[in-house]
Amino acid sequence: EVLLVESGGGLVQPGGSLRLSCAASGFTFSRDAMHWVRQAPGKGLEYVSGISSNGGSTYYANSVKGRFTISRDNTKNMLYLQMGSLRAEDMAVYYCARDSSPITIFAPYYMDVWGKGTTVTVSS
Amino acid sequence: EIVMTQSPATLSVSPGERATLSCRASQSVSSNLAWYQQKPGQAPRLLIYSASTRATGIPARFSGSGSGTEFTLTISSLQSEDFAVYYCQQYNNWPPAFGQGTKVEIK
Repeated sequence: EVLLVESGGGLVQPGGSLRLSCAASGFTFSRDAMHWVRQAPGKGLEYVSGISSNGGSTYYANSVKGRFTISRDNTKNMLYLQMGSLRAEDMAVYYCARDSSPITIFAPYYMDVWGKGTTVTVSS
Repeated sequence: EIVMTQSPATLSVSPGERATLSCRASQSVSSNLAWYQQKPGQAPRLLIYSASTRATGIPARFSGSGSGTEFTLTISSLQSEDFAVYYCQQYNNWPPAFGQGTKVEIK
């Protein structure tokens, strides 16, 4: 079974840091680009960041550029999102999602597998 | 950045009726358009990609159409499990942008 399981969410103060993790199983993780998408309470989906299959290319939404860092460890089948300088507007459920592209060129694509999400709360 | 606009925000439909959801892109995205379904407390689920191709396991009552800037998701006969929020997403350009969603509710 293809599975993505996020962890690492929690309560953090404004200006603080948090690292999210996503454990992948059931597929060849090293072949697929991966993404983080978030959803603020009662709001829609917002793209956050993506990383190529080998980790050599990344993309960040303007809203998180310079504050968040996406990375992966293909030896451990793990995806990460290091979040810093957190703001109230970063409060959301964060989903990791698998890129469905059949090619290795890092380009925007749709996402065919999603984790259940981990909740980040930013509050003093 | 491409902006995706969905309409209506809420659609009230009776079970068994047809639902038609619209998605408009601020510039052409060719056929690089996906649709997702999200139920409360759950992750999004891929329904349609390439504007009109159903994802694995998606029932035939779901269909997608359109290209360029105008897209439609049609649910031919709504079942109880179809009441949810639906999002479109373009993947023609960075960043892959989502619409704000259409909530399909029971009339």
